[in-house]
Amino acid sequence: QSALTQPASVSGSPGQSITISCTGTSSDVGGYNYVSWYQQHPGKAPKLMIYDVSNRPSGVSNRFSGSKSGNTASLTISGLQAEDEADYYCSSYRSSSTLGVFGTGTKVTVL
Amino acid sequence: QVQLVESGGGLVKPGGSLRLSCAASGFSFSDYYMSWIRQAPGKGLEWVSYITISGNTIYYADSVKGRFTMSRDNAKNSLYLQISSLRAEDTAVYYCARVRGLRLYYFDYWGQGTLVTVSA
Repeated sequence: QSALTQPASVSGSPGQSITISCTGTSSDVGGYNYVSWYQQHPGKAPKLMIYDVSNRPSGVSNRFSGSKSGNTASLTISGLQAEDEADYYCSSYRSSSTLGVFGTGTKVTVL
Repeated sequence: QVQLVESGGGLVKPGGSLRLSCAASGFSFSDYYMSWIRQAPGKGLEWVSYITISGNTIYYADSVKGRFTMSRDNAKNSLYLQISSLRAEDTAVYYCARVRGLRLYYFDYWGQGTLVTVSA
């Protein structure tokens, strides 16, 4: 099953805002409000940052926000900090599959 | 607090087998669907399988169907993944994770992972 499409890398300076896109189809991202985002630091397990497009789990900074338009979901990190440097993955429910699907991953670099 | 601890990874020859385990604590294990997710070195995440609360229904990715068997023991708060007929492309860190969501599509807690290396 094909993965959701994310940019390979996104960068920004401390304090800036960046946005990571996650593009799918009407069978996954576009058809349902079931998109999640994960942050993964090197050598660590992924951490849930956003679920159901725009909901933040308890303990996740409000600098992280999610949205969706059509077949593309987005994760925005505002007030970029050095600790935000990590890989980010989106995930979505897909109607044609019993298992969900992950995005290709985006490396965020803080300049 | 919620903890998931995987074990059982290691170096195995092509065609070999391993049994991965995941010990859960800090929550009512028998109330949640659970999943295995893997990540090949330097690559992205791949959903491998997930299991219902009772363990009666299990779904697998096409890439592992027929070779991997997922199970759970609710009395022991444990999750298992029997991996067989291993191939080089199965080399990855294997994570267990708790499944959430109305459509059971996201993971709110992950273990630290266990590395499986398939090499002659």
